[in-house]
Amino acid sequence: QSVLTQPPSVSGAPGQRVTISCTGSSSNIGAGYDVHWYQQLPGTAPTLLIYVNTNRPSGVPDRFSGSKSGASASLAITGLKAEDEADYYCQSYDSSLTAYVFGGGTKVTVL
Amino acid sequence: EVQLVESGGGLVQPGRSLRLSCAVSGFTFNDHAMHWVRQGPGKGLEWVSSINWNGATINYADSVKGRFTISRDNAKNSLYLQMNSLRADDTAFYYCTRSRGTPGPLDFWGQGALVTVSS
Repeated sequence: QSVLTQPPSVSGAPGQRVTISCTGSSSNIGAGYDVHWYQQLPGTAPTLLIYVNTNRPSGVPDRFSGSKSGASASLAITGLKAEDEADYYCQSYDSSLTAYVFGGGTKVTVL
Repeated sequence: EVQLVESGGGLVQPGRSLRLSCAVSGFTFNDHAMHWVRQGPGKGLEWVSSINWNGATINYADSVKGRFTISRDNAKNSLYLQMNSLRADDTAFYYCTRSRGTPGPLDFWGQGALVTVSS
């Protein structure tokens, strides 16, 4: 059971918009800790996709965007492409656990 | 170019020990906190342990506390994970990753080292 809750899967047709939610609690996201998102393509290591809630590292397309509100965060992918098929993880920090915490991951399927 | 290269993975029997290493290059090692994150077969990411830039602050996941020890050698640009009393549920890819501070985003990851605990 992950500390942060994500839907196991989302899907969309090419060109569509999909969103992935990440729900935490008052000891992590709700306490004001930042949320980061990672993309893991099949058979590869994770890479940083969104940092500090809304920021994209250099090289990440602007089709990817992040938001945060209260104890939750979201990742949106617009103009979905076949190359976006991957697992996506949210991550924050939990002050009660004194630990980095991850969501369980969401598999994005492009139909 | 930032590089993090894990080594030391392999097949080990339950109850035995293994030491992972992570050699880094392309950035100032002692400007960064370092972390180990693992991923069991078909499972999600699980944070294992963190160490700040000088080793003064260390944290562990409850699942490994008392069995695993994280350490770093800034002179050798290397991070380590000593894993003792290994169990079958420790089987995973172990990733070395860094952050500029703690807490902070994990902005670069190694390719991972596979640890298989089985008799």
